Amino acid sequence: EAGVTQSPTHLIKTRGQQVTLRCSPISGHTSVYWYQQALGLGLQFLLWYDEGEERNRGNFPPRFSGRQFPNYSSELNVNALELEDSALYLCASSSLLGSTDTQYFGPGTRLTVL
Amino acid sequence: QKEVEQNSGPLSVPEGAIASLNCTYSDRGSQSFFWYRQYSGKSPELIMSIYSNGDKEDGRFTAQLNKASQYVSLLIRDSQPSDSATYLCAAHTGGFKTIFGAGTRLFVKA
Repeated sequence: EAGVTQSPTHLIKTRGQQVTLRCSPISGHTSVYWYQQALGLGLQFLLWYDEGEERNRGNFPPRFSGRQFPNYSSELNVNALELEDSALYLCASSSLLGSTDTQYFGPGTRLTVL
Repeated sequence: QKEVEQNSGPLSVPEGAIASLNCTYSDRGSQSFFWYRQYSGKSPELIMSIYSNGDKEDGRFTAQLNKASQYVSLLIRDSQPSDSATYLCAAHTGGFKTIFGAGTRLFVKA
């Protein structure tokens, strides 16, 4: 069974640019989560999508946004990039059946903002 | 504010020893608990999940849950240098929300 996939693997942008990150969940999973992990720091929750709807949002400015498509894949968009947006962006997926919310992570996208 | 607390470490143990990683959580409504391992620069990898009070063993790993004390732990027996990583504890709270701790760094000395 294929795991969570993310693209691209690495990305280099300059300040003020916009970026789109993509995530495909494990087959059968309807929930997708996005996290930001700056170097040496813990996971910061960004967004949670389930069944195409945004269910929860972390403490991030509106320039961080996303969506979930009918096939449950998801995009994370970041506008007006700032230097502090440099981080590993992780996508995780889960199935809410049984309400255990076991999250499985993709390999991440390393974003560098210059 | 619902939280999951972990000692940031680093925790250093010699090869072959037992590594003990601890985690406390604030939401008494939490029902599911998870341990992830994260190597530097990589994504978190699920090690174990635990839902009931007591111990759960999987190979060299044992997760322990005490809901009365709001405490979760992970024991790694016969620690190997390849176990050196950051270990994340997570708790699934009500409202379908999972909260992650900041992680404990483990070093296993050869």
